[in-house]
Amino acid sequence: NAGVMQNPRHLVRRRGQEARLRCSPMKGHSHVYWYRQLPEEGLKFMVYLQKENIIDESGMPKERFSAEFPKEGPSILRIQQVVRGDSAAYFCASSPGTGSYEQYFGPGTRLTVT
Amino acid sequence: QQQVKQSPQSLIVQKGGISIINCAYENTAFDYFPWYQQFPGKGPALLIAIRPDVSEKKEGRFTISFNKSAKQFSLHIMDSQPGDSATYFCAASDANDYKLSFGAGTTVTVRA
Repeated sequence: NAGVMQNPRHLVRRRGQEARLRCSPMKGHSHVYWYRQLPEEGLKFMVYLQKENIIDESGMPKERFSAEFPKEGPSILRIQQVVRGDSAAYFCASSPGTGSYEQYFGPGTRLTVT
Repeated sequence: QQQVKQSPQSLIVQKGGISIINCAYENTAFDYFPWYQQFPGKGPALLIAIRPDVSEKKEGRFTISFNKSAKQFSLHIMDSQPGDSATYFCAASDANDYKLSFGAGTTVTVRA
C-alpha cells in the first residue's frame, strides 16, 4: 500500500541548470498538487493537475517553472535555469479525485542550488 | 497575502500537558480545515480535519475546535508526549479546486 512517491529525495544543481522533480501519486489517485516550502515557512501552493490537464497554476512563477501529469507515468515539476532562490523543499500531494478534499503528501524533494 | 494565520510560532509544553494552536482565516468560501503534522526531513502527514458543519472533532488525543462566526479554529493536543514534538500546520481549502492554503506552522516541543 505505497503512499505518494517522490524522487529524487535530494537534488543539487548549479545555477543555470535544470531541475526535474518526479511525483507518483497514491494508487487510485488521479489528482496531483505541488507545493513549495521555503526554510522556516509554511507550504505554498504551486499547481494542481489532473491526468493530461493543468487545472490551476496560479501559484507557479510565470517563467522557468512548468509542470505536467501525463496519461502514463509520474507528474513532473520542471525548473529551468535554476537560481539560488529556488532552493527549497518541493512536496507533491495526491487526492482521489473531484469531490475529495483529503490530500496525502509525499516525502518531498529537497533542492539545493549552488 | 496569507489567507490563514497561525499562532503561536512555537511552544514548549511539559509531558502530559495540553498544547493549543490557533488559526484564523478570512475567506468565507473555505469549507475544509485540516491539520498536518511534520517531522524534520519528512512530508506533512494529515492528522485530523473538520468541516464547518460541526464545532468540534476529536480523534484520540487530538481535538479540533471550530468557530465559524469568528472564522477561527484550533488544535488541542491532550496529554502531550515527547513523540508529539513536531511542526504543526493548519490549512484550509474550498470546493472550487481544493488547493490548500497553509498557516506558517507551529513548532511544538514536549519536554519529558
